[in-house]
Amino acid sequence: DQQVKQNSPSLSVQEGRISILNCDYTNSMFDYFLWYKKYPAEGPTFLISISSIKDKNEDGRFTVFLNKSAKHLSLHIVPSQPGDSAVYFCAASGEEGSNYKLTFGKGTLLTVNP
Amino acid sequence: NAGVTQTPKFRILKIGQSMTLQCTQDMNHNYMYWYRQDPGMGLKLIYYSVGAGITDKGEVPNGYNVSRSTTEDFPLRLELAAPSQTSVYFCASTSKGLLQFFGPGTRLTVL
Repeated sequence: DQQVKQNSPSLSVQEGRISILNCDYTNSMFDYFLWYKKYPAEGPTFLISISSIKDKNEDGRFTVFLNKSAKHLSLHIVPSQPGDSAVYFCAASGEEGSNYKLTFGKGTLLTVNP
Repeated sequence: NAGVTQTPKFRILKIGQSMTLQCTQDMNHNYMYWYRQDPGMGLKLIYYSVGAGITDKGEVPNGYNVSRSTTEDFPLRLELAAPSQTSVYFCASTSKGLLQFFGPGTRLTVL
């Protein structure tokens, strides 16, 4: 049973346009969400996070939106750049006593075309 | 700081062989994790540790063992390699928080 779902395996956008990556979760105990970016042959690197007490968090070109009632979050990248081409993982945590364990989605491969 | 380092980068094993994947972090993090990533799948937690001497199973522990004798090191042991263990393995660590730092991964093939 997948608790964190990224239903789009891939997304292709033009350079300069907006990229929107989506993530849904089923566990209502999750209260902290992270996005990781992964290039081929490298480990995931942290991109941006959001706590459930917020509905938006911005960091430069990256914005994460959280809709708790819909159990949905999205990552917006504006403007998209070719260097953003990577796999993006959504992760969630926050269950009591979780020892900071993260539950990951399957990832979305973003390709930004020049 | 080197962060989280993993060795080897690549390894090919024959069915039934054993090996240890090494993971070291120099950030004095108490929490360490082992994940595997299969093609088209997310990261699945194998084992984790909340401090030296303390380990616990994650989502997919079968076929693996771990130990944590020091804060820095968290090796993952495969005793009898099987083709189903062909995967990319990532080690991660964190201090008391949710931001995990990942190593570069070990790509393992079992033939």
